[in-house]
Amino acid sequence: QQQVKQSPQSLIVQKGGISIINCAYENTAFDYFPWYQQFPGKGPALLIAIRPDVSEKKEGRFTISFNKSAKQFSLHIMDSQPGDSATYFCAANPPGTALIFGKGTTLSVSS
Amino acid sequence: NAGVMQNPRHLVRRRGQEARLRCSPMKGHSHVYWYRQLPEEGLKFMVYLQKENIIDESGMPKERFSAEFPKEGPSILRIQQVVRGDSAAYFCASSPPLTLYEQYFGPGTRLTVT
Repeated sequence: QQQVKQSPQSLIVQKGGISIINCAYENTAFDYFPWYQQFPGKGPALLIAIRPDVSEKKEGRFTISFNKSAKQFSLHIMDSQPGDSATYFCAANPPGTALIFGKGTTLSVSS
Repeated sequence: NAGVMQNPRHLVRRRGQEARLRCSPMKGHSHVYWYRQLPEEGLKFMVYLQKENIIDESGMPKERFSAEFPKEGPSILRIQQVVRGDSAAYFCASSPPLTLYEQYFGPGTRLTVT
């Protein structure tokens, strides 16, 4: 119940394409769903986040889609660029405690 | 506004030695979280602290690991008698008091046990 399942494990997208990463959870008590971006040798950086009362949130080229009934949420990166090549982690927050992370998706954007 | 600071960035210890990892949260943040990341894996929660209090240590191994966040100074994660399996990247995150879920990560300490 405390897991967050992320897919795919790795993703290769052409420059200008759309990158889509999916996550699923089971615990309906989760109330905050962030995405983090991590470059090699760096710490994860908060990219975008959503609350379950909203179905979509967009910030620049990054969009989170949230499906509360299916207990799924996804990250869409529009017009993917080589600089977006990184590892992306979804996470979920049980109230009052630490984040639970997915295992990560390594994105490579080919030029 | 400086971000979360961690030091050292790289730490090499021989088996049996002690490792001390330090984390200074962002200004105004009173909550600190420690996570461990193994190669090709996600981040695993270890411990959640407020000033002078451990709130949740459910992810911390029962032996050899301890954490503190004193009234003054950085949070410290201590690993006693390190073993090769402790080699990992250790990340600290902090959050402001009113939005605990909004966690900002430091650059991490990469511990290598030889």
